[in-house]
Amino acid sequence: GENVEQHPSTLSVQEGDSAVIKCTYSDSASNYFPWYKQELGKGPQLIIDIRSNVGEKKDQRIAVTLNKTAKHFSLHITETQPEDSAVYFCAASKTGGFKTIFGAGTRLFVKA
Amino acid sequence: DTAVSQTPKYLVTQMGNDKSIKCEQNLGHDTMYWYKQDSKKFLKIMFSYNNKELIINETVPNRFSPKSPDKAHLNLHINSLELGDSAVYFCASSQGPSPSKNIQYFGAGTRLSVL
Repeated sequence: GENVEQHPSTLSVQEGDSAVIKCTYSDSASNYFPWYKQELGKGPQLIIDIRSNVGEKKDQRIAVTLNKTAKHFSLHITETQPEDSAVYFCAASKTGGFKTIFGAGTRLFVKA
Repeated sequence: DTAVSQTPKYLVTQMGNDKSIKCEQNLGHDTMYWYKQDSKKFLKIMFSYNNKELIINETVPNRFSPKSPDKAHLNLHINSLELGDSAVYFCASSQGPSPSKNIQYFGAGTRLSVL
């Protein structure tokens, strides 16, 4: 069945360093890949997304890359700040489908 | 104004009880969802309604029954609560049913603890 694997499960970085979270999806028909940030006590919130016709997308300190051949996509956060500390989820869905399949989440700690 | 609001935020109850969680969205969206997040943060879809019609019904025990009285509301009723039902339940909404075209907006969650 459809599956999204996410690594690492926990990531600790020093403020100012970069953080990278990687995901792999199983359904080759997947064509939309959002990333969500969940802060403590809150619901997930979309921070960036990428579609299968694009290889990379950037929004200030956040970038996503997609390798359709390998079915990999990654989230890159540069110049991390303490407020980036949260749980990050990758996800995948496809045209005509109703479900979003989420990865297991990465808990990011940014140490000041 | 909170876009997707759930009540209650916390729910502590005994095994065997029946409880409901309410969800309302003021975004004018057609599609609403219930997700369950377990203690390891794994987020899994339970149900989805589009224009008050059920479109996703994952492998969820019959004790869970969603009800959508109108497009802006999707409530979740749980009968005969079990210890394993303890989790955070998130309501979400989107403009349409296709996740590849419509961003999902999540509520703040309801933390259910079954004792």
